[in-house]
Amino acid sequence: AQKITQTQPGMFVQEKEAVTLDCTYDTSDPSYGLFWYKQPSSGEMIFLIYQGSYDQQNATEGRYSLNFQKARKSANLVIYASHLGVSAMYFCAMRDPTSNNAGNMLTFGGGTRLMVKP
Amino acid sequence: DVKVTQSSRYLVKRTGEKVFLECVQDMDHENMFWYRQDPGLGLRLIYFSYDVKMKEKGDIPEGYSVSREKKERFSLILESASTNQTSMYLCASGPPSGDTQYFGPGTRLTVL
Repeated sequence: AQKITQTQPGMFVQEKEAVTLDCTYDTSDPSYGLFWYKQPSSGEMIFLIYQGSYDQQNATEGRYSLNFQKARKSANLVIYASHLGVSAMYFCAMRDPTSNNAGNMLTFGGGTRLMVKP
Repeated sequence: DVKVTQSSRYLVKRTGEKVFLECVQDMDHENMFWYRQDPGLGLRLIYFSYDVKMKEKGDIPEGYSVSREKKERFSLILESASTNQTSMYLCASGPPSGDTQYFGPGTRLTVL
C-alpha cells in the first residue's frame, strides 16, 4: 500500500527566509505523481506544484520548488522568501497509477503547519 | 479559473438526521472526489466518481453514500448522521490525466 509521511507537524520560519517541508513516500510502482497543496485558515485546498516520477527536472512554480530525490523517495517542498501570507497547512500527496480507479486517487500526508514570524 | 463549489461552509445536524452535501464543478471534469479531513489524519478519501452514475469506494466509505446523476454535480449523503462524522468535508474534481485535483472551500459539519 502506498504511504505518504510528513514528519514535521509544525514549523516556524522567519519572514523573507527559505524553508523546507519534508515529505517521503512509499510505492512499488515506477510511475507516480507527487503533489503539494496549501490550506490556509479559510480551509480551501490550493494546488501548488506537481512532479511526475519520470520528470528529469525538479518542478518549480513561483516561490515554490519541489526537491525530488527519487532514490530516497522524498519530495520536499522548498518555499523561498517567506512572507506572512505563506502561513498555512501544507499537504504532500501522491497519485499511484496502480490504484483501482484508473490512477487518479490521491493519498495525502498528515500535513505540516507552517508559521511565518515577522 | 476552475471553480468547485460546495453547498454550505458550515452545517450543524443532529444524530440520526439524513445529511446531503452538494458539490458542483464548472470545468467538465470526469473525476470527482469526496474527502474528510480530521486533525492529524490529513485528508482521507471517502468516495470518488470517474463518470456519471459511476462511483468507487475510497478508504473510509462506511456510513456514507454518494450520487452522481450529472457530470458537474457529486453529492455526499450521510444516511443517519453520527457524532463521529463531525469533520471537515472537502470535494475535489480533476481531469482524467490525474495530474491535479481542484478543491472546493470545504463544509465543516458538526453532528450533535
